[in-house]
Amino acid sequence: EVQLVESGGGLVKPGGSLRLSCTASGFTFNNYNMNWVRQAPGKGLEWVSSISSSSNFIYYADSVKGRFTISRDNAKNSLYLQMNSLRAEDTAVYYCVRANGGFDYWGQGTLITVSS
Amino acid sequence: DIQMTQSPSTLSASVGDRVTITCRASQSINSWLAWYQQKPGKAPKLLIYKASSLESGVPSRFSGSGSGTEFTLTISSLQPDDFATYYCQQYNSPFTFGPGTKVDIK
Repeated sequence: EVQLVESGGGLVKPGGSLRLSCTASGFTFNNYNMNWVRQAPGKGLEWVSSISSSSNFIYYADSVKGRFTISRDNAKNSLYLQMNSLRAEDTAVYYCVRANGGFDYWGQGTLITVSS
Repeated sequence: DIQMTQSPSTLSASVGDRVTITCRASQSINSWLAWYQQKPGKAPKLLIYKASSLESGVPSRFSGSGSGTEFTLTISSLQPDDFATYYCQQYNSPFTFGPGTKVDIK
């Protein structure tokens, strides 16, 4: 069974940093591109960042470019999102997502709240 | 950047109704379009990929069509479990979601 489990969420002050982790199981992690997608409270889905299977290709949404860094460790079946210079508008549930054409498997999400 | 729009933003329907949601891209995305269903408090679920391919395990009452810039998601006979919010997503360059269409009970 494919599972994606996020961790690292919580409350952080504006300007602060946080690192999200996602542990994958039930599939060959190093065969798939992976993504982070977020959803602000009561709002729609926003793609945040993407990383290819071997980390050769990395993309960011304009809203996070220069502040967030995506990475992965295929030996540990893990995906990461380093978030710096956090703003109130970064408050959202962050999902770890596998790409297989569409985004076929999603984690349960972890809530990041940016507030003083 | 490719922008996605959806219409309508809200749709009120009854069980058994045929429902159609439209998604438009600001430029051609060929058939690189997916549809998702999301219920409150849950992660989205992939329904359709490559514009018209049904994801495994998704009921056949869901179908997708279109190419280029205009796409549709059709539910042939709305069931109680289908009341949810639906999102389209382009994955041509790199990824953008539409704003969503909420299907609620009439």
